Amino acid sequence: ETGVTQTPRHLVMGMTNKKSLKCEQHLGHNAMYWYKQSAKKPLELMFVYNFKEQTENNSVPSRFSPECPNSSHLFLHLHTLQPEDSALYLCASSDRDRGVSYEQYFGPGTRLTVT
Amino acid sequence: SQQGEEDPQALSIQEGENATMNCSYKTSINNLQWYRQNSGRGLVHLILIRSNEREKHSGRLRVTLDTSKKSSSLLITASRAADTASYFCATGYQKVTFGIGTKLQVIP
Repeated sequence: ETGVTQTPRHLVMGMTNKKSLKCEQHLGHNAMYWYKQSAKKPLELMFVYNFKEQTENNSVPSRFSPECPNSSHLFLHLHTLQPEDSALYLCASSDRDRGVSYEQYFGPGTRLTVT
Repeated sequence: SQQGEEDPQALSIQEGENATMNCSYKTSINNLQWYRQNSGRGLVHLILIRSNEREKHSGRLRVTLDTSKKSSSLLITASRAADTASYFCATGYQKVTFGIGTKLQVIP
């Protein structure tokens, strides 16, 4: 166990559904991240939150909407997704100081399938 | 643009042999990190080397960093079947980016 939990572990949703992914870290870190991992592509950083404030949004489509109510919890709200959004979604946390990220601790991921 | 790029993309070795993976990056870094991922699981942090360090050891792992060449290598000595996984490097300054990884297979 890395101290970062993600739920659900698997999710199948239709293109018209709305669902949310949840991430929680128990490590006292000040930064949390969402990544997308698709087959044969580099791990894509989607969003970064530092002390609950979004510090990076890497041109992610608006059908992905993050929410960070506090430093320990991170959500990714999904709506009207496309089949190409099917992927492993990974959450991570770390200490982050003046733009420098240190060791990241990853959750087990949510395997998302969009039908 | 992609920051860390691992090489080779795939590596197959016999148990007991050493495995070497390389990482190149493009811009300034504060630190460089190596991670391991077993199939379909989250990434596990292995080792972090700071930009003012040249070499670091952790158990059977040895990481080197050459900032003049913007490259790093990860050496796994006396490999085991359990080392079979994908290995990624990541740079942690400002924008955290990962490469596509090296898929290592250790044959028993």
